[in-house]
Amino acid sequence: EAGVTQFPSHSVIEKGQTVTLRCDPISGHDNLYWYRRVMGKEIKFLLHFVKESKQDESGMPNNRFLAERTGGTYSTLKVQPAELEDSGVYFCASSQQAGRGGYTFGSGTRLTVV
Amino acid sequence: DQQVKQNSPSLSVQEGRISILNCDYTNSMFDYFLWYKKYPAEGPTFLISISSIKDKNEDGRFTVFLNKSAKHLSLHIVPSQPGDSAVYFCAAIPGNNNDMRFGAGTRLTVKP
Repeated sequence: EAGVTQFPSHSVIEKGQTVTLRCDPISGHDNLYWYRRVMGKEIKFLLHFVKESKQDESGMPNNRFLAERTGGTYSTLKVQPAELEDSGVYFCASSQQAGRGGYTFGSGTRLTVV
Repeated sequence: DQQVKQNSPSLSVQEGRISILNCDYTNSMFDYFLWYKKYPAEGPTFLISISSIKDKNEDGRFTVFLNKSAKHLSLHIVPSQPGDSAVYFCAAIPGNNNDMRFGAGTRLTVKP
């Protein structure tokens, strides 16, 4: 079974540019989550999809962040325009059941905004 | 605000000894707790969990203890092995939603 795949693994962009991160969850996992870790701090929740619907997006920092999951398969997280404070590692995770039990995380995308 | 706290950024132990990683939380709505392990350049991997109706859960060398009154949990690894060297994240989920909250992580180094 393939794991959660994230692309790209690294991205360096200039302030003001746009970046799109992609996550392919484990096949059949309805639940997909985005998290972010900034500067070695805690891993912060961004949002939760159930299939193609946003179940909870309370962790999204601001309207420069847009997440989509068309068709309930892969998801994209777009940052437009990127700011310096957006730098960090963005993790995607998926699970069959929401909440309880362990999620399967991808390896993350390290975003650096310069 | 940080609802899950891991106050020790790092811990170093000798191979064969016990590793104890600590975690405190502030949100009394948390009712499910997890530990994740993370190697460099990889995503966190689920390790062990505990429900708030229990005070201990054991899985091989890993045991998680929960003290609800103190809002504290700990992960015990015994005996520690060099392959256990990683960053360990404590996480918690409230009963009223599914938003998992993580601590900042503790880097464990097990020396041969």
